Amino acid sequence: DTAVSQTPKYLVTQMGNDKSIKCEQNLGHDTMYWYKQDSKKFLKIMFSYNNKELIINETVPNRFSPKSPDKAHLNLHINSLELGDSAVYFCASSQGRYQPQHFGDGTRLSIL
Amino acid sequence: SQELEQSPQSLIVQEGKNLTINCTSSKTLYGLYWYKQKYGEGLIFLMMLQKGGEEKSHEKITAKLDEKKQQSSLHITASQPSHAGIYLCGSHSIYNQGGKLIFGQGTELSVKP
Repeated sequence: DTAVSQTPKYLVTQMGNDKSIKCEQNLGHDTMYWYKQDSKKFLKIMFSYNNKELIINETVPNRFSPKSPDKAHLNLHINSLELGDSAVYFCASSQGRYQPQHFGDGTRLSIL
Repeated sequence: SQELEQSPQSLIVQEGKNLTINCTSSKTLYGLYWYKQKYGEGLIFLMMLQKGGEEKSHEKITAKLDEKKQQSSLHITASQPSHAGIYLCGSHSIYNQGGKLIFGQGTELSVKP
């Protein structure tokens, strides 16, 4: 049973398109996150939700919009994709904000 | 801003050798996490350290947090090919920013059989 699952695992699309990445966790956690890992493997927080409420919104272009329909899901929608959006996007969850975060396997986004 | 510096950036060791990876912060660490990432996969949680001087072990991996809570080390004893991957240290922001983790740049470990 996968604890944190993301779909799709790979996403190849053209510049200017709109795409979504879905994340679901079955751990019963109340906090979920989106991280971006660039080509140099540097991992950086984008958003965090606690009980469906947005608590972290880093300096991310407003083309990126997270949505949390319930505590177990945090989706990421990206409008007007740009070349610089190519990266691996990781979803994570934790019980509370200061407990270990559990990560999904990542979504590899490639913009042509 | 708070940053974590890992050293070395990459490491190649012969199977059976011991190795150490360091993680240094310019500010006090509040909750230090070690993760391992294999290619094409997510991050696997290894250990969490909170108190100065704390040390934890899991199988052949030992992590320590120094007394000042500004440096952590990860030590692998008798390395095996299964230890290969990218090791990342992460810490909560001292600015109490909703639990976000700040990560080091990672250390890529290769273990030669």
